Amino acid sequence: DAKTTQPPSMDCAEGRAANLPCNHSTISGNEYVYWYRQIHSQGPQYIIHGLKNNETNEMASLIITEDRKSSTLILPHATLRDTAVYYCIVPHSNTGKLIFGQGTTLQVKP
Amino acid sequence: GAVVSQHPSWVICKSGTSVKIECRSLDFQATTMFWYRQFPKQSLMLMATSNEGSKATYEQGVEKDKFLINHASLTLSTLTVTSAHPEDSSFYICSARDGRQTSYNSPLHFGNGTRLTVT
Repeated sequence: DAKTTQPPSMDCAEGRAANLPCNHSTISGNEYVYWYRQIHSQGPQYIIHGLKNNETNEMASLIITEDRKSSTLILPHATLRDTAVYYCIVPHSNTGKLIFGQGTTLQVKP
Repeated sequence: GAVVSQHPSWVICKSGTSVKIECRSLDFQATTMFWYRQFPKQSLMLMATSNEGSKATYEQGVEKDKFLINHASLTLSTLTVTSAHPEDSSFYICSARDGRQTSYNSPLHFGNGTRLTVT
C-alpha cells in the first residue's frame, strides 16, 4: 500500500493561494489520492480525491502529476478558517481504510 | 452530503467504569465503519474496522476486550471503552463510507469525535 510524504508545516498569507504538496511515489495504477483536513478538535473533513486527472470542487483543486507520483492540493484563496492539518492519503487497496500520517499543518496568516 | 453523527461529543467518567460511544450514518447505509483514536498533538490512529453483522477487526496492539465494538445495523456502530482508566482519555473518532459505492472511489466521512476524560 502506497505511503505518502508531506512537509510538516506551511504558512500562507490570507487571500493567497495555498499549494500543499504530497509525494506518493509507490502508488499503483488503480489507487486514488485523497485529501482531508482536520481543524482543531474536530473530525477530519473530506476535501477532494482523484486518480489521474486534475480535479476541482467548491473547496479546492487537486493537481496530479502525469506519473502519479505526486500531487498538489490548491486552496485558491486561503482564509483564516483554512488553518488546519491537511492529510494526503492513499487508502489501503483491499480494505479501503485510511492510515493517517502526520500531515501538513497549514497556518493562514492575516 | 453524507453525514456521520457521533454521540456524545464529550464525556467524563470515573476510572473503572465503562463508556459507550455511538456512531451513526444519517443519510446513507454503511456496511463498514472505522474507529480512530487521537491523542493531543498526534495524528489519528486507526483502532478497528467495524463490520455490520460480524466481528470487528482490530489493528495490532488494540485490545479487543478493552474496546468493544458492535455494528448491529447498517447505520449504527458503537464503541464501548470498558473499565476505563486515565490513559484511555483521548479523542475518539468514527468514520463511514456509503456502502453502495466502491471503496476505491468513495470518501470516508467522519464524525465530529468524542472527547473522553477518565478521572
